[in-house]
Amino acid sequence: SQTIHQWPATLVQPVGSPLSLECTVEGTSNPNLYWYRQAAGRGLQLLFYSVGIGQISSEVPQNLSASRPQDRQFILSSKKLLLSDSGFYLCACTGGGETQYFGPGTRLLVL
Amino acid sequence: QKEVEQDPGPLSVPEGAIVSLNCTYSNSAFQYFMWYRQYSRKGPELLMYTYSSGNKEDGRFTAQVDKSSKYISLFIRDSQPSDSATYLCAKNSGGGADGLTFGKGTHLIIQP
Repeated sequence: SQTIHQWPATLVQPVGSPLSLECTVEGTSNPNLYWYRQAAGRGLQLLFYSVGIGQISSEVPQNLSASRPQDRQFILSSKKLLLSDSGFYLCACTGGGETQYFGPGTRLLVL
Repeated sequence: QKEVEQDPGPLSVPEGAIVSLNCTYSNSAFQYFMWYRQYSRKGPELLMYTYSSGNKEDGRFTAQVDKSSKYISLFIRDSQPSDSATYLCAKNSGGGADGLTFGKGTHLIIQP
């Protein structure tokens, strides 16, 4: 079965600073990969998904971007963070069929 | 109207009770349903998934789908304090690689 790693676990960043969150997957090959954001009281929001290396689809226009440099690596980035970027960021991958499995998440606080 | 609606709770029940968690959905296309459990400050954990109307059982958990009324439920029998968590229902948003659409989650508290 697949295992998803995310780091860092927690991050506190000033407004206007850059961001790089990393997700790696073990135990599967050629997975679909996803970035979600979970904000208090707002549920899980899909940000990006990728079906293969270098292939990124964006669901929500914003100051975030994603990249997939390797089959099992997914990166979420920003050049300049906003206060509204604070939240819990979750990486997920497909596990066969339509199901998705989630990583432990990164908690981001922008001050 | 949100595609997946879920009462946020909190829902508080005594230990040993049967818990019923519910969601409604509006888009009848791509009917693959999932229930996730999320403990505080952790990633969601897949509990059950189904694409058929009717019941699917796994231990103390039963997922129920009623496509005619667009209603999905999760029942927990013999509830335990360790079941205290937020429960998220989800359905697929489209065919292929599309992500999932989630309800906002129901916060469940099992009182010892």
